[in-house]
Amino acid sequence: GAVVSQHPSWVICKSGTSVKIECRSLDFQATTMFWYRQFPKQSLMLMATSNEGSKATYEQGVEKDKFLINHASLTLSTLTVTSAHPEDSSFYICSASEQASGYTFGSGTRLTVV
Amino acid sequence: GENVEQHPSTLSVQEGDSAVIKCTYSDSASNYFPWYKQELGKRPQLIIDIRSNVGEKKDQRIAVTLNKTAKHFSLHITETQPEDSAVYFCAAAMNSGYSTLTFGKGTMLLVSP
Repeated sequence: GAVVSQHPSWVICKSGTSVKIECRSLDFQATTMFWYRQFPKQSLMLMATSNEGSKATYEQGVEKDKFLINHASLTLSTLTVTSAHPEDSSFYICSASEQASGYTFGSGTRLTVV
Repeated sequence: GENVEQHPSTLSVQEGDSAVIKCTYSDSASNYFPWYKQELGKRPQLIIDIRSNVGEKKDQRIAVTLNKTAKHFSLHITETQPEDSAVYFCAAAMNSGYSTLTFGKGTMLLVSP
């Protein structure tokens, strides 16, 4: 079946630094990638949608200059949290989309900003 | 945009009982309704889904029903087991694989032995 690899699985960084999270679709070409954020005991909240080769579409309230998304190829999308602060600590999950496979989720990245 | 409401937020049952989780959606254009099970710190796992041209779908102990007129769909788990304990999310989308998935707030299911 379709597999999405997400790295790193967890990361601890200092306040003010940047963190990059990668999602790769291993056995299919992902036309669209979705990035979600999930706070403890809450649902998945969509941050942005990206299509290969074009700019990401951000949800209302999500700062595009803080959460940089790059979808340079059909198999790789990255989310960079710039100048991270403790309130950015969360579980970030990507989802790759391809019609035959539907939605395939990455394993998630637990970000802790100290 | 789409809005998905999910109830209850927590559900406690005894092993062997049935569990029912209900969701409503707002956008009549939605036609794909998946259910996910998420264990702590892990990715959501698709357990069953239904499309708008079908009213009911069953897979062993799990079933989903859809009422398009009323815009609601439900997850039914029979003969619950302790390993069914997790958070369950319903979701809705206009077009599986291409459009945005909107999630409900989740239901924490606890199955006691």
